[in-house]
Amino acid sequence: KQEVTQIPAALSVPEGENLVLNCSFTDSAIYNLQWFRQDPGKGLTSLLLIQSSQREQTSGRLNASLDKSSGRSTLYIAASQPGDSATYLCAVQNSGGYQKVTFGTGTKLQVIP
Amino acid sequence: ETGVTQSPTHLIKTRGQQVTLRCSSQSGHNTVSWYQQALGQGPQFIFQYYREEENGRGNFPPRFSGLQFPNYSSELNVNALELDDSALYLCASGYSNEQFFGPGTRLTVL
Repeated sequence: KQEVTQIPAALSVPEGENLVLNCSFTDSAIYNLQWFRQDPGKGLTSLLLIQSSQREQTSGRLNASLDKSSGRSTLYIAASQPGDSATYLCAVQNSGGYQKVTFGTGTKLQVIP
Repeated sequence: ETGVTQSPTHLIKTRGQQVTLRCSSQSGHNTVSWYQQALGQGPQFIFQYYREEENGRGNFPPRFSGLQFPNYSSELNVNALELDDSALYLCASGYSNEQFFGPGTRLTVL
């Protein structure tokens, strides 16, 4: 059974800081790993998708890495801004059988102006 | 934009009632999954449909059921609503190696 853990559960940083969010998963038999952003009361916004054969993906100030063998991923946010304040969810899609996506419980980020 | 839409956006029901949530996905997507996200939690897998057949289910009771139609739409039905069913319900459709999420339907059970 896939389990996804995100650390820390909450993070508060001053504007301009670089930060790292962590995600770990227990079963390395995955198709992909995806990072989402969720604003309060809203749906999911996909940030980055890393296929199992890839090591990292970048989009603007965001960089996500994947180490499948150790069951870890990190989301790096450069030069954080108040608009980055949201909950960040890590999600892993299993391979084999039905392709269920397992989510972590998220990291709630607050960027202070 | 993922090309996956859900309706309605918000819904209020009372305990014991039944509800149907709808999802419309892109042409060619052969799977559709439904997730429940309670307040402060990550989304939890309810079930997945592949070619109109349920092929996987999470830890949800039978009063949660679904349908997938040939026109790439699907439904989530919940019978005998309970207060704890209040949540954001997310639909995801796609292929074997990628799922695209809709914006969700927020259900409130009073």
